[in-house]
Parts: sequence; structure tokens; C-alpha cells
Amino acid sequence: DAGITQSPRHKVTETGTPVTLRCHQTENHRYMYWYRQDPGHGLRLIHYSYGVKDTDKGEVSDGYSVSRSKTEDFLLTLESATSSQTSVYFCAIRTTGWDTEAFFGQGTRLTVV
Amino acid sequence: DQQVKQNSPSLSVQEGRISILNCDYTNSMFDYFLWYKKYPAEGPTFLISISSIKDKNEDGRFTVFLNKSAKHLSLHIVPSQPGDSAVYFCASEVPANAGGTSYGKLTFGQGTILTVHP
Repeated sequence: DAGITQSPRHKVTETGTPVTLRCHQTENHRYMYWYRQDPGHGLRLIHYSYGVKDTDKGEVSDGYSVSRSKTEDFLLTLESATSSQTSVYFCAIRTTGWDTEAFFGQGTRLTVV
Repeated sequence: DQQVKQNSPSLSVQEGRISILNCDYTNSMFDYFLWYKKYPAEGPTFLISISSIKDKNEDGRFTVFLNKSAKHLSLHIVPSQPGDSAVYFCASEVPANAGGTSYGKLTFGQGTILTVHP
């Protein structure tokens, strides 16, 4: 358990509404990531952060923004949710060093209707 | 452009037998490879990894083999157990300095659903 908590765990929202997902970590890791999981695509990187206020885009960043105002929290925002953003979202942290692995949160299932 | 591919969506194996999950990649810059296991309604959990300087890594019932010339890796589970039934993802990454801005970004395959029958 790498001390990662995602909230909410489930959310249903309407098209066009803003949605914010939260990832909270307790172990002061520098690197945090947001992935989405979809059938046939595995997990794809949306955005990531390499420090407080330092973020960058991943593979599928369109329609998403992120913020990291403190080490422990990494927020993912859908400014105007669309049905194509219905997915399961995972937050991850990565320890630094040789041959390390990423630790994932339990996921947020988001449905946009 | 799928840089990491798991071409078998599913695999069914009898308990006690070997499970072999395969993964192919196209990016020759990938130098570190990981396998993750995922149960329904849970996050992926790390299983085993291998660096490109090795061709085999073993951890208990799990062995990962890497064939760099073929850009292929495989995960062997021996013996398979019903509790191994899950979705398995392979993931890869290019070299990036720990401490740099691009560190730790993983590229995943589509996943393979493993079912182990008692």
C-alpha cells in the first residue's frame, strides 16, 4: 500500500458539467500520474506531475487539465465532460531510483451521461 | 500507434499448468519493462519487471523473459492457480533521469484476461 487515495470512487455526471477527481498520497513522492483505462486500450497517460506546480501532458490530454498545489494532492479536471470521457481513472505515484515501479490507486469510475 | 501490444485478449488455463502471456513492443528506446496484475474494481498491482540488460527475471512462480532482438517479452506463471485469474498488463518505458521532468511515464499494452480453471 503506497498510501494513495482516490476520490470519489464512483461518479455519474451529465455531459457538459465540470468534474474534478482527486488523488491524495501520504508518502511525499515527487512524481504523480493520471491514467485512464478503456477496453482495448489498456492504460493511457493523461497528465503527470514532477513536482508542486510542475505538470505536463501525456498521451491523451485533450479535454483534461491538472493541478498540483501541494505535494500530496494531484487533481484531474474535466472542464466540460463528454461521453468519450466515460472511463476508469487511475492515479499513480512513482518512486525514484533504479528499476522502480509505479503504485496505483484504486481507481475512479466516471460515467458521463 | 500502439507501441506496446498484447495480441491475446484472453487466455484460459487449467490449474497447475503453465500460463504464458505475451507482449510485443515497437519502440527500440524502451529499456525497462513491467508486468501488472489487475483484479476487478481494484488498481493495477506490480508483479515483476525486467531491465533491458537482462533476458530473464524470476520471482517465485513468475518469470519474465525478454527478447530484445524480437522486441518481445513474455510472462510465465508456473504453476497457475485460480487466484491468478485477473487482467495482466505489460508496460514499458524509455530511459529518463530520475529527478528529470519525463521520469516514470509508462506505456501499457491492452491487457490479457487470464482465467485459471480449478
